[in-house]
Amino acid sequence: DAEITQSPRHKITETGRQVTLACHQTWNHNNMFWYRQDLGHGLRLIHYSYGVQDTNKGEVSDGYSVSRSNTEDLPLTLESAASSQTSVYFCASSGHPNYNEQFFGPGTRLTVL
Amino acid sequence: SQELEQSPQSLIVQEGKNLTINCTSSKTLYGLYWYKQKYGEGLIFLMMLQKGGEEKSHEKITAKLDEKKQQSSLHITASQPSHAGIYLCGAERNAGGTSYGKLTFGQGTILTVHP
Repeated sequence: DAEITQSPRHKITETGRQVTLACHQTWNHNNMFWYRQDLGHGLRLIHYSYGVQDTNKGEVSDGYSVSRSNTEDLPLTLESAASSQTSVYFCASSGHPNYNEQFFGPGTRLTVL
Repeated sequence: SQELEQSPQSLIVQEGKNLTINCTSSKTLYGLYWYKQKYGEGLIFLMMLQKGGEEKSHEKITAKLDEKKQQSSLHITASQPSHAGIYLCGAERNAGGTSYGKLTFGQGTILTVHP
């Protein structure tokens, strides 16, 4: 069965370190998204991609970057982790035939000390 | 203020009671998605509404999109402990299905159902 996975599921890091969160989907979806979830804010879009080599900034992109070298993966990098980036991160994908229904990964809980 | 406001922010009900969660948008909704999230897990798609006045049901959950397409409600009949979780609404902002999955989400409603 097709799925979307995230790794690691839990990560503790220190301020200033570079961190990369992995997202892998086997749906063969063109569209992939990264969100962060914080209490009182719901899901906020960080970055998204509509295909290989395409990346776009979302509403809270500062301090984050993504790259899309293939259809299956969209890794999220925190260039220099800050305590304000402590959050739960979700990856999602969407594609044919219903381009607007997103399938979500299980999430990564990141703590920045 | 957020583009999508959900109310209430949290809800505690006794098993068997009916409940309603609202999602109000400050802009026109071209598609409205309801998701459910269990603690520590990802989001599960419930249903999607596109047309004003549209209503969809799945088991004991019914969602409606109002005629003016700026508000949606999610109604649960005879709630059960299995309904507990976080309910989030997500909005498609572009007409003609051109959002390509890019959604704006509300802040979520935490539902607790006591047996």
